[in-house]
Amino acid sequence: GAVVSQHPSWVICKSGTSVKIECRSLDFQATTMFWYRQFPKQSLMLMATSNEGSKATYEQGVEKDKFLINHASLTLSTLTVTSAHPEDSSFYICSAPSSGGNTYDSYNEQFFGPGTRLTVL
Amino acid sequence: AQSVTQLDSQVPVFEEAPVELRCNYSSSVSVYLFWYVQYPNQGLQLLLKYLSGSTLVKGINGFEAEFNKSQTSFHLRKPSVHISDTAEYFCAVSPDYNQGGKLIFGQGTELSVKP
Repeated sequence: GAVVSQHPSWVICKSGTSVKIECRSLDFQATTMFWYRQFPKQSLMLMATSNEGSKATYEQGVEKDKFLINHASLTLSTLTVTSAHPEDSSFYICSAPSSGGNTYDSYNEQFFGPGTRLTVL
Repeated sequence: AQSVTQLDSQVPVFEEAPVELRCNYSSSVSVYLFWYVQYPNQGLQLLLKYLSGSTLVKGINGFEAEFNKSQTSFHLRKPSVHISDTAEYFCAVSPDYNQGGKLIFGQGTELSVKP
């Protein structure tokens, strides 16, 4: 199946600093990618939809100025947590649909990255 | 809006016993249904999916699930579990394929297989 990678796999930072997380589709192009957040022992919550060439679409309650998303190319989306605080500590997971985001003729299976563990001290 | 409810947060079971992980959903539109498995500190791996057709779906690692439209359920089953099946399992729905595959997840069920 298609492969999605994330970098870094884990990061520790000081409160007030910014952290960038990369999500790459390695063997396919993705015009759309999704960012999820997962707290310990909890489910995945969709944060935003990353769209290549246009602004990201954020879910209700997610601060777009705090979680900056840039879909720089057809294989790369980045999530930047700005002015991170301890409450932002979480597991961040991205996904991309197998066809790259074109959904008019069939369902596109989501492929998930391995996740990034962020710890803010 | 769509929602997914996994009725059991934890399911302990002995090795080689059968197991069922329950999932119910709510949606005003047709949905696709999925089960994912997550091992510690890893991403999600697709176990199986229901898009259309036969309501009994077979997946990887010996798992299967049955879509019941009248009961809005999609329970996951395995006739004989192994220690290696210990993981977190998530049921999910995709509300509309035109939305690009956005997934709504249930709360997760921690399956713990004991020797």
